[in-house]
Amino acid sequence: GAVVSQHPSRVICKSGTSVKIECRSLDFQATTMFWYRQFPKQSLMLMATSNEGSKATYEQGVEKDKFLINHASLTLSTLTVTSAHPEDSSFYICSAREQAGGYGYTFGSGTRLTVV
Amino acid sequence: DAKTTQPTSMDCAEGRAANLPCNHSTISGNEYVYWYRQIHSQGPQYIIHGLKNNETNEMASLIITEDRKSSTLILPHATLRDTAVYYCIVITGGATNKLIFGTGTLLAVQP
Repeated sequence: GAVVSQHPSRVICKSGTSVKIECRSLDFQATTMFWYRQFPKQSLMLMATSNEGSKATYEQGVEKDKFLINHASLTLSTLTVTSAHPEDSSFYICSAREQAGGYGYTFGSGTRLTVV
Repeated sequence: DAKTTQPTSMDCAEGRAANLPCNHSTISGNEYVYWYRQIHSQGPQYIIHGLKNNETNEMASLIITEDRKSSTLILPHATLRDTAVYYCIVITGGATNKLIFGTGTLLAVQP
C-alpha cells in the first residue's frame, strides 16, 4: 500500500532557530500533501495544503511566514518552522493521497518538535 | 463538508466486537464516509471508507444507514492493539479535498 515517510521523528531545537521537516511519498506521486499539527490531548488541526510547483494554501490563523512549505517535487514536501518558540512545540503530521486509484489519505508517522 | 458527531469515549472487552457510531445527518449525495484511527503518538491510519453501500475489508466493516445520516464502524474481534482514537470524517471524493478531523472516539479495549 501507499507509504508516506516523515523525517525526523523527533527533534529538539533551541528557541529562535529553524527546523525543517520532510514528508515523502515513497511509492506514489502526490500533487497535493497536507500538513497538520496536534497538541497534547487534542485532535489534528489542518495547517496547510501543499501543492507541487505552486504556493501552499494556509488555513485561517496559520502564519505562512512562520511555517514555510515547499513542495518542489511530486514526492517531497517540506515544512520549515522558522524562529521556533516553545509554543511551537507540537506533533506535526503530513498526509498525501495517491493521484489515481488510491482511496485513502496516507499519513506520515509524525514529528515531535520540542523547542527549548 | 458535512459535520460528524461521535461519542467521546467507549469501552470494549477484548475479543468482542467494537461498534463505533457516527452521526452525519447533513451529509450530501457526493460525500464519502471515511474512518481513520490514531494510536497514541502515531500518524492516523486509514481503516475504511464508503459512499452508500456497506463495506468490509481486513480491518473492519462499515455499515451506512439507508438514509446515509449515520454509520457504524465494526471491529469484529477487538484486541488491545485496537485501543486508539477513531475518527469519522465526511468528505467529497476529490484528490485535493482536505480531511478535517473532529474530536473522534477514544476506544479503550479492556483485557
